[in-house]
Amino acid sequence: AQTVTQSQPEMSVQEAETVTLSCTYDTSESDYYLFWYKQPPSRQMILVIRQEAYKQQNATENRFSVNFQKAAKSFSLKISDSQLGDAAMYFCAYVGLFNAGNNRKLIWGLGTSLAVNP
Amino acid sequence: DTGVSQDPRHKITKRGQNVTFRCDPISEHNRLYWYRQTLGQGPEFLTYFQNEAQLEKSRLLSDRFSAERPKGSFSTLEIQRTEQGDSAMYLCASSPRDVEETQYFGPGTRLLVL
Repeated sequence: AQTVTQSQPEMSVQEAETVTLSCTYDTSESDYYLFWYKQPPSRQMILVIRQEAYKQQNATENRFSVNFQKAAKSFSLKISDSQLGDAAMYFCAYVGLFNAGNNRKLIWGLGTSLAVNP
Repeated sequence: DTGVSQDPRHKITKRGQNVTFRCDPISEHNRLYWYRQTLGQGPEFLTYFQNEAQLEKSRLLSDRFSAERPKGSFSTLEIQRTEQGDSAMYLCASSPRDVEETQYFGPGTRLLVL
């Protein structure tokens, strides 16, 4: 069974600084997607960035980038120039592409709570 | 179309009552998912629809839970004889057909069972 592990329950960063959130996963599949979602307090889950496993190039979305190490099964998120609005719970998630019925159910980590200090 | 919507946003009920939640996915998204999230945890998969067909149910989904997606559009999740352990955030997500694997989430329905 696939699992996702986020080993940092809480992180903090100074405004304008850079922070990296860690995620590791376990799978025997070769084809899959990885995601980082952001969930602000009492607000909905928002996609931050996604990575296709077959792509070697690391995904980037503005201030957000990932370090995808397929062999090590590692998928960390780097937030540059942190802003107060980045404060949220960040979840790492995995989806395999060979589930029955094309079920793309997400397998989630426990999340990392990020505080941004002014 | 502004995204996935869920109704109600909050529900307080007494133990033993039935509750029903609704999810309206993004138009033309043929895949719809229900997840449950408890405090301090990541979401857990409950069930999955492709169009109107319910193709998978998690073992987490006891017989008291039922979900439907008539006509492949909106979906409902019903919990019968609610228990205090059902208190959680119920999240709905949709994704488009075979174009990308990204799921777009609604705001969730927060259920409190007293």
